[in-house]
Amino acid sequence: EAGVTQFPSHSVIEKGQTVTLRCDPISGHDNLYWYRRVMGKEIKFLLHFVKESKQDESGMPNNRFLAERTGGTYSTLKVQPAELEDSGVYFCASSQEYANEQYFGPGTRLTVT
Amino acid sequence: GENVEQHPSTLSVQEGDSAVIKCTYSDSASNYFPWYKQELGKRPQLIIDIRSNVGEKKDQRIAVTLNKTAKHFSLHITETQPEDSAVYFCAALRSGGYQKVTFGTGTKLQVIP
Repeated sequence: EAGVTQFPSHSVIEKGQTVTLRCDPISGHDNLYWYRRVMGKEIKFLLHFVKESKQDESGMPNNRFLAERTGGTYSTLKVQPAELEDSGVYFCASSQEYANEQYFGPGTRLTVT
Repeated sequence: GENVEQHPSTLSVQEGDSAVIKCTYSDSASNYFPWYKQELGKRPQLIIDIRSNVGEKKDQRIAVTLNKTAKHFSLHITETQPEDSAVYFCAALRSGGYQKVTFGTGTKLQVIP
């Protein structure tokens, strides 16, 4: 079974530019989560999709962040325009319906300069 | 919302010694407590979990304990090996699937050969 995949693995952009991160969950997993880890801090929740619907987006920092999951399969997280404080590792995770265990992707390391 | 604190932030032990990582949580409704291990450059992976109806759970060299009254839970690794070196995250959530995971800040464990 293929695990959660994320693309790209690394991204370096300048302040003010736009970046789109992609997550492909495990096939059949209805739940998809986005998290972010800023250097040395906790893995912080951003938002949760159930299929194509946003179940909880309380962790999204501001309106520069836009997440989509059209069709309920893969998801994208767009940051526009990027700021320095957006730097960190963005993780995606997925889980089966009503399951507690979340399977994480390898993360995308975003560096905003 | 839930708040999870984790200590220590770094831990160095000699190979063969034990390592203990402690976490506290704030939401008394949390009832599922997973522990994730993230090796350098890899994705976080679930290594053990405990539910609130259990006080202790063991899996080979790894054990978790939970004190619901004090809202404390701990990870114990015995007979540590170099491959145990990683960042460990504790987490708490209300089980049932549609709940975001609140993570601790992570503990970087180094096992010295």
